[in-house]
Amino acid sequence: ETGVTQTPRHLVMGMTNKKSLKCEQHLGHNAMYWYKQSAKKPLELMFVYNFKEQTENNSVPSRFSPECPNSSHLFLHLHTLQPEDSALYLCASSQGQQAPDFYEQYFGPGTRLTVT
Amino acid sequence: DQQVKQNSPSLSVQEGRISILNCDYTNSMFDYFLWYKKYPAEGPTFLISISSIKDKNEDGRFTVFLNKSAKHLSLHIVPSQPGDSAVYFCAASLYGGATNKLIFGTGTLLAVQP
Repeated sequence: ETGVTQTPRHLVMGMTNKKSLKCEQHLGHNAMYWYKQSAKKPLELMFVYNFKEQTENNSVPSRFSPECPNSSHLFLHLHTLQPEDSALYLCASSQGQQAPDFYEQYFGPGTRLTVT
Repeated sequence: DQQVKQNSPSLSVQEGRISILNCDYTNSMFDYFLWYKKYPAEGPTFLISISSIKDKNEDGRFTVFLNKSAKHLSLHIVPSQPGDSAVYFCAASLYGGATNKLIFGTGTLLAVQP
């Protein structure tokens, strides 16, 4: 595998389910990001991890819980989601969080989440 | 309120002609601007960038222009090719503090007709 991979690519879940999204980067990067892209809205930054430490939580509801066990893996744990949480969830990584490293972010293909 | 705006959701251009994608921003603290390109079922990929202290950056067929007084940047693609058909996102860098961020626009879908 190369670049940034995300699994699953598609997920349908009920509002009472618990699921997790997985992201893995094979680039040796130190910073990882979760973004949300809703229809006709810009990519919204959700969380930032730098050297496994969370440095940003962009006012994300607690039903989204990130986990970064090491610099290569990032998870997004989901529980009791709402239908408005249906969106494309993108993971990205960058060499670091300092300029100019964070300008060029490498994205995975995303997980298309539908909450029913 | 959106800090980075791409007011044209779509653009159609003939192969060989120039494509011009536009982006406006509101925050004068942005220090760097970038364009990302996204094909269906793939994540966005970095295309070209420009520092806020410059007004032009060129890379092959791609040129980005920055007009700081108007808070406007544009991406020119010339000549346009069918493989350029994709969604183009404008992004701006907010640097400083504990976390550095990219703020994205909503994207413009470019269709290059053969």
